[in-house]
Amino acid sequence: AQSVAQPEDQVNVAEGNPLTVKCTYSVSGNPYLFWYVQYPNRGLQFLLKYITGDNLVKGSYGFEAEFNKSQTSFHLKKPSALVSDSALYFCAVRDTGAGSYQLTFGKGTKLSVIP
Amino acid sequence: DTAVSQTPKYLVTQMGNDKSIKCEQNLGHDTMYWYKQDSKKFLKIMFSYNNKELIINETVPNRFSPKSPDKAHLNLHINSLELGDSAVYFCASSGTSGRANEQFFGPGTRLTVL
Repeated sequence: AQSVAQPEDQVNVAEGNPLTVKCTYSVSGNPYLFWYVQYPNRGLQFLLKYITGDNLVKGSYGFEAEFNKSQTSFHLKKPSALVSDSALYFCAVRDTGAGSYQLTFGKGTKLSVIP
Repeated sequence: DTAVSQTPKYLVTQMGNDKSIKCEQNLGHDTMYWYKQDSKKFLKIMFSYNNKELIINETVPNRFSPKSPDKAHLNLHINSLELGDSAVYFCASSGTSGRANEQFFGPGTRLTVL
């Protein structure tokens, strides 16, 4: 079974400050990991993914995430937050094992960037 | 050009009615999905089709029936609608390499059952 935990329902950060949105995962094999963003009344948009290789993954809009296998984490980061980054962020995982097409999402973290 | 489109965007209906939501993708993807997002924003997979074959069928009431007439379309038909079916339904698609590919989401259909 695969699962994702996003321990924070909400993260508040001042504009210009660095931001981190936390994600931990559980899979039986190796993970494919994804971050998505959802703006109000919109569908989810893909930000970045970890498949293999370099643990630091860079994505859209200046976001990056670091894969940490020992801590089973994949935290989303950005060096300098913008007000326009305010949205709902979802972490997702898929086991690389055979027969698993299902992508499991975390419950989401609401990011509020305060001007 | 919209990559994944859904119709209608809003759907308001009475309990007991039957309704359909349509989804189309123009990305050439082989795999399509239906998700339900509840009022708490929790996102749950309902179905997935790969090359018109059902590959994921989560525990949803059998009042929900997906249909994939071709690789570019995945429709969702719901019979005997109930109050608890009120939610936002998202269609998504992903490429042929399977598990490593990200999914592209449609704009959602907000279903309200009165």
